[in-house]
Amino acid sequence: EIQLVESGGGVVQPGGSLRLSCVGSGVTFSNYWIHWVRQVPGNGLVWVSRINGDGSNPMYADSVRGRFTISRDNAKNTVYLHITSLRDEDTAVYYCGRDVFGGVGSWGQGTLVSVSS
Amino acid sequence: QSALTQPPSASGSPGQSVTISCTGTSSDIGTYNYVSWYQQYPGKAPKLIIYEVNKRPSGVPDRFSGSKSGSTASLTVSGLQAEDEADYYCSSYAGSNTFVFGGGTKLTVL
Repeated sequence: EIQLVESGGGVVQPGGSLRLSCVGSGVTFSNYWIHWVRQVPGNGLVWVSRINGDGSNPMYADSVRGRFTISRDNAKNTVYLHITSLRDEDTAVYYCGRDVFGGVGSWGQGTLVSVSS
Repeated sequence: QSALTQPPSASGSPGQSVTISCTGTSSDIGTYNYVSWYQQYPGKAPKLIIYEVNKRPSGVPDRFSGSKSGSTASLTVSGLQAEDEADYYCSSYAGSNTFVFGGGTKLTVL
């Protein structure tokens, strides 16, 4: 069973950039499509992005397309989420998880992104 | 990509059954069978409990079941237990390479 660990969150000023990482272990990482989902503390889950096994087909929610870029380095068992032009509304816990026939399984513990001046 | 609609709360007594609805549109639930359900405890990451409308990952009790009719999906928790008190979210593939979640339902075991 794959295990995922997110990192890279922190406090960033509006307009800034950040790169989140999702590292997988215990499996052949390239076999897994990976999602990013975010959650404002106390609020619901919001789907952000998904990438297929070889990175050739990234997908994005309309609300982040153009500012967020998902990519992966299978040699490092890592999926990245590069976030630019950060806004207050991007403040959230960002989770990664593996695709399970359209669902999200094996969630990581999440990494908190806080946009604040 | 409008969020799927869930009731904000649901409740039941131990041993009872509770059903949580998740209403979408013909663009998501109504067309695709990629409906999933998640359980989330406060301060914890979500856990997948149903995928493809009615399939359970290994280790999920069969007290949890899913179904779909038209553009509405449902999660039924049978034989309610105290440990089932949590937030529950649905999600669906929404076409055009996107996914959408519901707003979440807080399940209270009375």
